[in-house]
Amino acid sequence: DTGVSQDPRHKITKRGQNVTFRCDPISEHNRLYWYRQTLGQGPEFLTYFQNEAQLEKSRLLSDRFSAERPKGSFSTLEIQRTEQGDSAMYLCASSRRGLFTGELFFGEGSRLTVL
Amino acid sequence: AQRVTQPEKLLSVFKGAPVELKCNYSYSGSPELFWYVQYSRQRLQLLLRHISRESIKGFTADLNKGETSFHLKKPFAQEEDSAMYYCALIRDSGGSNYKLTFGKGTLLTVNP
Repeated sequence: DTGVSQDPRHKITKRGQNVTFRCDPISEHNRLYWYRQTLGQGPEFLTYFQNEAQLEKSRLLSDRFSAERPKGSFSTLEIQRTEQGDSAMYLCASSRRGLFTGELFFGEGSRLTVL
Repeated sequence: AQRVTQPEKLLSVFKGAPVELKCNYSYSGSPELFWYVQYSRQRLQLLLRHISRESIKGFTADLNKGETSFHLKKPFAQEEDSAMYYCALIRDSGGSNYKLTFGKGTLLTVNP
């Protein structure tokens, strides 16, 4: 399968712990996105990379959140000192080089439960 | 800031009936509008974009700038259309904006 892959698929953690999610985009895609989805809501934009550069961050991304894409390939999203409100599905997506057509290729998501 | 509104959380129709999923947006520029779909146990994926003006799986959507709407329509619903549908937009067409803003989604159920 050459689609976007995310790991882990599920993570249960205790409040105050740190968690890290990994996303491997489609190999020829240079743009990578993180979205968050909570129950009853659509995907909410968190951040976006073009190659290794983080070009935009949402106000939803508090200081406890950090995302990296060190070599312009895979990306990690770390949440420090997790809170119950961080419980959500974290979606990664990628898009092709060149003119943006609006088509994002999504992964299956990483579901976080904070107890 | 741009906003996408899908007024119906749930929509239930019978097979063969027409279906319309509503989407309204607020943005003063020239946005591009999209419909994304998520079938059960599958990934979120693009269904159609307004700029293509095409019919995908029998679905069409017309951008109405006067009413700021982008409703998704299908004349005869099929059971396999049952899914979660999200309307989305990017600000200012032209390929230089890369952030999609999504609505909250409408769960469509097509009953046999």
